[in-house]
Amino acid sequence: QKEVEQDPGPLSVPEGAIVSLNCTYSNSAFQYFMWYRQYSRKGPELLMYTYSSGNKEDGRFTAQVDKSSKYISLFIRDSQPSDSATYLCAMSRGSNYKLTFGKGTLLTVNP
Amino acid sequence: SQTIHQWPATLVQPVGSPLSLECTVEGTSNPNLYWYRQAAGRGLQLLFYSVGIGQISSEVPQNLSASRPQDRQFILSSKKLLLSDSGFYLCAWGTSGGLGEQYFGPGTRLTVT
Repeated sequence: QKEVEQDPGPLSVPEGAIVSLNCTYSNSAFQYFMWYRQYSRKGPELLMYTYSSGNKEDGRFTAQVDKSSKYISLFIRDSQPSDSATYLCAMSRGSNYKLTFGKGTLLTVNP
Repeated sequence: SQTIHQWPATLVQPVGSPLSLECTVEGTSNPNLYWYRQAAGRGLQLLFYSVGIGQISSEVPQNLSASRPQDRQFILSSKKLLLSDSGFYLCAWGTSGGLGEQYFGPGTRLTVT
């Protein structure tokens, strides 16, 4: 079983839709959770990070963590064509540990 | 604010040639530094990481090596490139006291012909 599973998609939605991106993990030692956005041919950009169960909101983005189910989500409200990118989840046991990444979900928002 | 630079942005090299990719970070001291390779459909593969000058940990035995000659400089090298070394190489930095989050550079796209 892989430590982090992420549906690669591709996911295609119309502009304005609510997007839900998800990852599951198997290692209960993971305590910190991140979402990265990667545009084509660019480096990943850190979108959000959290270390507790529950929701964290930042503008149109909401990160949700459910440690009991080992499940994390990223919601994008009022999606825009500029949100079209690959979204990678990542998690770690702490600053002295490596990040474990999902393989990414390719999202396309159609105008 | 912190900035991470990588160069070159793109590189085409013949098989058997040497390689040197450079990464520098500005605006922070004593960062943890990382080299990743991203191949199509295979996700991010951690190659090397460093917690200080001269301290390098290798994740995957392969044709590559890394060095950290200065606090904010990280170099990825190879003596003889293989076709399988083609990919998108990303440098990242992180803080030793944070949550483990990392910040990536713009990447170098390497094609070995």
